[in-house]
Amino acid sequence: DAGVTQSPTHLIKTRGQHVTLRCSPISGHKSVSWYQQVLGQGPQFIFQYYEKEERGRGNFPDRFSARQFPNYSSELNVNALLLGDSALYLCASSGDRGWGTDTQYFGPGTRLTVL
Amino acid sequence: GDSVTQMEGPVTLSEEAFLTINCTYTATGYPSLFWYVQYPGEGLQLLLKATKADDKGSNKGFEATYRKETTSFHLEKGSVQVSDSAVYFCALRKNAGNMLTFGGGTRLMVKP
Repeated sequence: DAGVTQSPTHLIKTRGQHVTLRCSPISGHKSVSWYQQVLGQGPQFIFQYYEKEERGRGNFPDRFSARQFPNYSSELNVNALLLGDSALYLCASSGDRGWGTDTQYFGPGTRLTVL
Repeated sequence: GDSVTQMEGPVTLSEEAFLTINCTYTATGYPSLFWYVQYPGEGLQLLLKATKADDKGSNKGFEATYRKETTSFHLEKGSVQVSDSAVYFCALRKNAGNMLTFGGGTRLMVKP
């Protein structure tokens, strides 16, 4: 089975632009979470979606938004990009046995560079 | 709030040496504890986990025991290999919700 996939792999944007990152969960997984990993640090939780509803939100500004589609794939959107948004953005999916109980499996990430 | 503290790296070892990476946590209740590994240029891979006190997680020769009395989850391996070179992250998850709280990561470098 395919693991969690993310696109694009790398992305370069300039300050003030908008970006959309995409994630496809493992087949059968209904929960998707997004994390931001700044170079040299541990990942920080941004959002969790389960069954297309937002179930959790980390301490990030309103410039960050996300949604989950009927096929459980997800998009992370970031508006008005700042230099500090440069990071590896990780998507994780977890199974459908119950929200909050399953192991999260991570994708390879999207490396965003803001110039 | 919840937090995870790991020993700072890099940790540099010779092949076949014993490895310990310290991890302590602060959280209310009874979180689940995890070790994830990140190889260069890749995402995170689950290495092992423990869901309650005194549980021992193990995988690929790595072990960690959930110690509630010391709020610790130290990672150990008896004999490291060059292929173990990576960044290791300790994390916790409260049982209500799926959000992971990560430590800052510890880089391990194993020399032949």
